[in-house]
Amino acid sequence: EVQLVESGGGLVQPGGSLRLSCVDSGFTFSTYSMNWVRQAPGKGLEWVSYISSSSSTIHYADSVKGRFTISRDNAKNSLFLQMNSLRAEDTAVYYCAREAVAESWDYWGQGTLVTVSS
Amino acid sequence: DIQMTQSPSSLSASVGDSVTITCRASQTIRNYLNWYQQRPGKAPKLLIYAASTLQSGVPSRFSGSGSGTDFTLTITSPQPEDFATYYCQQSYSTPFTFGQGTKLEIK
Repeated sequence: EVQLVESGGGLVQPGGSLRLSCVDSGFTFSTYSMNWVRQAPGKGLEWVSYISSSSSTIHYADSVKGRFTISRDNAKNSLFLQMNSLRAEDTAVYYCAREAVAESWDYWGQGTLVTVSS
Repeated sequence: DIQMTQSPSSLSASVGDSVTITCRASQTIRNYLNWYQQRPGKAPKLLIYAASTLQSGVPSRFSGSGSGTDFTLTITSPQPEDFATYYCQQSYSTPFTFGQGTKLEIK
């Protein structure tokens, strides 16, 4: 069974850093592109970042470009999101999502909450 | 960036009614349109990809149509578990963008 499990969320002060992880099981992680998607409390979904299976292609939303870094370790079936210079508006539940046919996202993790507040 | 506009933002229906949600893209996205369902406190779930293809395991009362800029999600005879929020999402180009969501509530 495919399973994605995020971790690393928590409370951080503005300007601080966090590193999110997403560990995958039940599929050949190294053959799939992956994404991070976030959802602020009571709000809609916002795509954050994309990484191809080999890490050769990476994209970011303008709202996080220059502050967040996506990476992956295929040997450890792991996806990461390094978040620096955090702002209050980065407060959200962060989901990792596996990219499937037609660039749809067929499996999602349960989410990890990031709260940026002093 | 491609803007996705969903309507309505909320919708009340009774079990057994037929409901339709529309999604419009600000430019053509061919058929790179996906629909997700999100229940409170849960992760989104893929319902339909490539505008009209039902994801494995999703009930056939869900259907999608459209291409180019205009798309629809139809739920024929919604069941109690279908009352949730629905999002369209374009996967044609980055930044990938979502509609603002449609909350389907029980009348």
